[in-house]
Amino acid sequence: EVQLLESGGTLVQPGGSLRLSCAASGFSFSNYAMSWVRQSPGKGLEWVSSISGSGGSTYYADSVKGRFTISRDNSRHTVYLHMTGLRAEDTAIYYCANDRGEYPDCFDFWGQGTVVTVSS
Amino acid sequence: DIVMTQTPLSLSVSPGQPAAISCKSSRSLLYSNGHTYLYWFLQRPGQSPQLLIYEASKRFPGVPDRFSASGSGTDFTLKISRVEAEDVGVYYCMQSKQLPLFTFGPGTTVDIK
Repeated sequence: EVQLLESGGTLVQPGGSLRLSCAASGFSFSNYAMSWVRQSPGKGLEWVSSISGSGGSTYYADSVKGRFTISRDNSRHTVYLHMTGLRAEDTAIYYCANDRGEYPDCFDFWGQGTVVTVSS
Repeated sequence: DIVMTQTPLSLSVSPGQPAAISCKSSRSLLYSNGHTYLYWFLQRPGQSPQLLIYEASKRFPGVPDRFSASGSGTDFTLKISRVEAEDVGVYYCMQSKQLPLFTFGPGTTVDIK
């Protein structure tokens, strides 16, 4: 059974930094791309970032490019999202999701999400 | 960027009745390999989204067969043959043709009359 468990969400001040983690189990982690998708309060879904299975390719939405960094540790079956220069509009539930191949294509399974609140 | 639209934005259905949601993309989602990169997700109240349909018409494992989807190019439809209480939530379509940029539709809220 695929399980994705996000952690690291908290209240942070504007301009601050945060690192989210997503621990995966139940599938061959290093073979699959992983992604982060967020949902602002009462809003729809917004793709944030993806990383290939090997970690050699990374992709970002324009809204976070230059501020967020995605990475993964295949030995720990964990994907990370390092967020800097946080803004109020980054307030959201952040979900990690796995893919069906080495490169991002779809979001087959989702974690339960971790809440990031950016406020002074 | 490919823009996704959905209609209606909300839908109220009696149990056992059918429901249909339309999704349109601003550009064709058919790729040169013959695959169509359109997906449907359901987000039940208080839960994470879950994949229902991939590549426009293929049911994800475990998804009840009362869910079906069709479409090609820029026009797609998700159908529920007989709505049940557990089908309540927000349905999103999403494209992955224009990678690495994934874009979602605005969502359609389905509730029970």
